[in-house]
Amino acid sequence: EVQLVESGGGLVQPGGSLRLSCAASGFNFGSYWMSWVRQAPGKGLKWVANIKEDGSQKYYMESVKGRFTVSRDNAKNSLFLQMNSLRAEDTAVYYCARLYFYGSARFEYWGQGTLVTVSS
Amino acid sequence: SYELTQPPSVSVSPGQTASITCSGDKLGDKYACWYQQRPGQSPVLVMYQDNKRPSGIPERFSGSNSGNTATLTISGTQAMDEADYYCQAWDSNNVIFGGGTRLTVL
Repeated sequence: EVQLVESGGGLVQPGGSLRLSCAASGFNFGSYWMSWVRQAPGKGLKWVANIKEDGSQKYYMESVKGRFTVSRDNAKNSLFLQMNSLRAEDTAVYYCARLYFYGSARFEYWGQGTLVTVSS
Repeated sequence: SYELTQPPSVSVSPGQTASITCSGDKLGDKYACWYQQRPGQSPVLVMYQDNKRPSGIPERFSGSNSGNTATLTISGTQAMDEADYYCQAWDSNNVIFGGGTRLTVL
């Protein structure tokens, strides 16, 4: 059974940093692209970042470029999102998702999410 | 930047057919997929590659994509189908979601 478990969310002040983690199990982690998707309270889904199987390619939504960094450790079946210079508008539930990238790309599996609140 | 537009809400009576649309420039030239999100839960993929159902998704869910519009159709809608639905496509290495449609079964 595919499982994705996020952790690391919490309350942080504007300008602060936070590192999210996603522990994957039930599949060959190193064979899949992975992604972060966020959802602000009461709002819709917004894609944040993708990372290729070997970490050699990374893509980000415009508003987080230069502030967020996606990475992975295939030996530990883990995905990460380093978030710096956080802003109030980054407040959201952050989901880790397994991405089927080739052909008709889609998010096949999602974690339960971790809440990030940016507030003073 | 590319945008996908969905109606904010759709209402349907139990047992009837619900259609949720997703509009974008030449969307039919891309693949569309759909996610269901029940209150307090994570999204679930219910349709991919325009009209393919993942394992475990009921046959009453179907999809189409042509021209500028992708459509998710739910036949014989049940109370358990009440949820938010999001379309999604790709554009130049960016993932685009529609704004979401709240399906109410009443």
